[in-house]
Amino acid sequence: EIVLTQSPGTLSLSPGERATLSCRASENVGNNYLGWHQQKPGQAPRLIIEDASIRATGIPDRFSGSGSGTDFTLTINKLEPDDFAVYYCQQYARSPITFGGGTKIEIK
Amino acid sequence: QITLKESGPTLVKPTETLTLTCTFSGFSLSTEFEGVNWIRQSPKRGLEWLALFYWNEDNRYNPSLKNRVTVTKDSSKSQVVFTMTDVDPDDTATYYCAHSSGWTTDLWGQGIPVTVSS
Repeated sequence: EIVLTQSPGTLSLSPGERATLSCRASENVGNNYLGWHQQKPGQAPRLIIEDASIRATGIPDRFSGSGSGTDFTLTINKLEPDDFAVYYCQQYARSPITFGGGTKIEIK
Repeated sequence: QITLKESGPTLVKPTETLTLTCTFSGFSLSTEFEGVNWIRQSPKRGLEWLALFYWNEDNRYNPSLKNRVTVTKDSSKSQVVFTMTDVDPDDTATYYCAHSSGWTTDLWGQGIPVTVSS
């Protein structure tokens, strides 16, 4: 199975700053079938990026995804209070679908 | 508008079979490339994908579950049923169903917490 490793585990940032999250795959993610999900405490995850770089419906353009192959990045520009959460990457290129361990963005 | 909601027991005894139902609206599993995933989350395991019921019934399962899991469809009720046999405390988690269009998991249900304990 494709193992996804996210870094860092925790990011301590202030509102208005930029967040850069990394997701590294153990092997090539075909067709860039990689998504990013946001999860807030007590809530279900929510898709924010699909196919590595396509924002999901209703997601503001301060969120952007990039990368291909084995290295992917989620960037959040000008962090807003609502963005402080845990972010997971997910690959769906090959079964079994797998998730990374998550990056928590906390308020500094 | 697509919605999904999980239902079922929140407490199950070891060795029993867990049965959860995902009731959905806003899409049809008869439509090409539509699917319903089952995913669980626990502090120990993180997010773990379990199974996918796919529109053409070419269903997929996580091999780590060693044939303990099955997904079926009740078309008349727009439901997908998830069963896991021989549960043990390690299966304690929040279980989610989630919609897929193609392979993207694009909308999650609210989740249902399940505890396995005697």
